[in-house]
Amino acid sequence: DTGVSQNPRHKITKRGQNVTFRCDPISEHNRLYWYRQTLGQGPEFLTYFQNEAQLEKSRLLSDRFSAERPKGSFSTLEIQRTEQGDSAMYLCASSPRDPGSYGYTFGSGTRLTVV
Amino acid sequence: EDQVTQSPEALRLQEGESSSLNCSYTVSGLRGLFWYRQDPGKGPEFLFTLYSAGEEKEKERLKATLTKKESFLHITAPKPEDSATYLCAVQADPTSGTYKYIFGTGTRLKVLA
Repeated sequence: DTGVSQNPRHKITKRGQNVTFRCDPISEHNRLYWYRQTLGQGPEFLTYFQNEAQLEKSRLLSDRFSAERPKGSFSTLEIQRTEQGDSAMYLCASSPRDPGSYGYTFGSGTRLTVV
Repeated sequence: EDQVTQSPEALRLQEGESSSLNCSYTVSGLRGLFWYRQDPGKGPEFLFTLYSAGEEKEKERLKATLTKKESFLHITAPKPEDSATYLCAVQADPTSGTYKYIFGTGTRLKVLA
């Protein structure tokens, strides 16, 4: 297992188009998180899954954003009708049942540019 | 409202010049305070978890401490490879219904040879 994998690494899209990102967590981690990070800012929470259940969703996540984690394995994050303000790094992280002393393991992120 | 503030925003040190980074926080019921290192274009890399005031953790040239209102990341005799952005995050007690981390904006550290 080589850690948390995110694809694609970079995505350029035109405003109004839909995009989908994929995250493959560490296999034994049942918790999965999505964060968004803009330049010069810390990561900002988007949503959290425990196995296949989406247990928490940020109020910042408009109805244009949706995330899934079928069968508690990989996860997808879809953004519909993209806007320029959606340009950011989208980070996925996973953790064991209790992150505790291990924290999250982050992927390298998907950088989205909306033109 | 839960909040994390990091200072300074940026720090330049000469190699071997020790210093400290500050993370002050406000959270309703602290579950844990976390330090991460982030290199440009990469995701954050976990460094430490601190749970209660008075706790300390060390890793190589880094030492993290925690009080009831703030945490410090002490860097002793830094090397150029310690250059990165250091992020602090807090997690509130999950019984409040949230599992998220709240991150600060980070301290960008540059260590000059």
